[in-house]
Amino acid sequence: SYVLSQPPSVSVAPGKTASIPCGGNNIGRKSVHWHQQKPGQAPVLVIYYDTDRPSGIPERFSGSNSGNTATLTISRVEAGDEADYYCHVWDDSSDHYVFGSGTKVTVL
Amino acid sequence: EVQLVESGGGLVKPGGSLRLSCAASGFTFSDFWMTWVRQAPGKGLEWIGTIKSEIAGATTYYAAPVKDRFTISRDDSKDTLYLQMNSLKTDDTALYYCTTAPREGYWGQGTLVTVSS
Repeated sequence: SYVLSQPPSVSVAPGKTASIPCGGNNIGRKSVHWHQQKPGQAPVLVIYYDTDRPSGIPERFSGSNSGNTATLTISRVEAGDEADYYCHVWDDSSDHYVFGSGTKVTVL
Repeated sequence: EVQLVESGGGLVKPGGSLRLSCAASGFTFSDFWMTWVRQAPGKGLEWIGTIKSEIAGATTYYAAPVKDRFTISRDDSKDTLYLQMNSLKTDDTALYYCTTAPREGYWGQGTLVTVSS
């Protein structure tokens, strides 16, 4: 089955840029979606189809996808960005959705 | 206002059954593929299964841990998604979400299922 790999944690200072990788075999050929989940809350979609932002999501959130790694980038990080972030793809070969294991972003 | 409201969770003994519902409003439910996702306490998101729209054949897809035990269905006349869970195991203890993600990315608030003797 298809596996998505994410680092357990990323730390970033306020105002700096956080990059959250999501690794998968030829993930660049798939569409990647990203969800933010704050403690005690339901997930929120922040990026879909690699680079698109839903309405209401700040422009500080952006995505890219190429080769074996997709990346969620959060620019000018704020304290309110502290959350778990999950990548998410549809695997055509198995007709399954797959979530990454999640990355906890800590704002120092 | 878009809403997805899950219900039907609770405490059930191992081997028991439970049916979850997800009531949708504020969007054209029949147009959307719908997905169930669960989250065990302190763990990450786990995809359970997806049902296509009726016009796409309402085909269902399931993750390996729940295949043959769980059944996803939908009633577009009631704008409601269902998850029938049979032969429940302690490992099925989790918060269960319904979602339209990635399309529009609507998520419910979840309903808690606890499987324990």
